[in-house]
Amino acid sequence: DIVMTQGVLPNPVPSGESASITCRSSKSLVYKDGKTYLNWFLQRPGQSPQLLTYWMSTRASGVSDRFSGSGSGTYFTLKISRVRAEDAGVYYCQQVREYPLTFGSGTKLEIK
Amino acid sequence: EVQLVESGGGLVQPGRSLKLSCLASGFTFSNYGMNWIRQAPGKGLEWVASISSSSSYIYYADTVKGRFTISRDNAKNTLYLQMTSLRSEDTALYYCARQSWESWGQGVMVTVSS
Repeated sequence: DIVMTQGVLPNPVPSGESASITCRSSKSLVYKDGKTYLNWFLQRPGQSPQLLTYWMSTRASGVSDRFSGSGSGTYFTLKISRVRAEDAGVYYCQQVREYPLTFGSGTKLEIK
Repeated sequence: EVQLVESGGGLVQPGRSLKLSCLASGFTFSNYGMNWIRQAPGKGLEWVASISSSSSYIYYADTVKGRFTISRDNAKNTLYLQMTSLRSEDTALYYCARQSWESWGQGVMVTVSS
C-alpha cells in the first residue's frame, strides 16, 4: 500500500501570511499518462471534505487561486497564500494512483 | 446542483449488520464511479470502497474486505454499502463521494456498541 505522510504546520499562522503543507508518498504517484494522481482536500470543522486540487496542481472548480499545488512524483506541497480565517481546518492529501486509495493523516491549520 | 445524501446509519451491536444508502441527484449517476469513505470520531479520513459506473470494477480496503459490500442501482440513482460482522472499530461517520472527489455527502454516523 502507498503510505502518505504529511508534515506539521507551526500553528497558528498569522492572517495574511502564507502557509505550506507538505505530503510525501512511499511510491511515485506519476501514472503512465504522465499525470500525478494526488488530491488535496480541506475539511473545515463540522463539514465534509472539500476538494482543492487534483492531478497534483489543478485547482478544483471554484477554488481560490490562493491555493496552489506543486511537487514531484513523491513529494508534494500545497501552498496557501494570504491565509484567511476561512482557511482554517484540516488539510489532507490523498493518492489515487492505485488501490487501495490512501490519505495522509491530516495537517491542521489554525489562523491567528 | 450535485447532491449526495447518505442514510441508514445508527447504533448497532457488534457482529450485526447495517446497510447504508447514498441517494444521488443533479448529475447522471450512471456515468460516474462512486466511493465510500469513513472518519472515526476525532480521526482522519479512511477510504473504504469504490465501485465503477457499471459495477464492473469494485475495490475494498483490507480493513473491510469480506465484511462490507459496495453496490449500486443506477435506475434508482443510489449507492449502497452493506456492512456485516460489524466491529467497534467500524464506528465512524461514513461519507459517499463521486468519482472525481469534488462532491461529497454530509455523512451518516454508524456506531457499533453493545
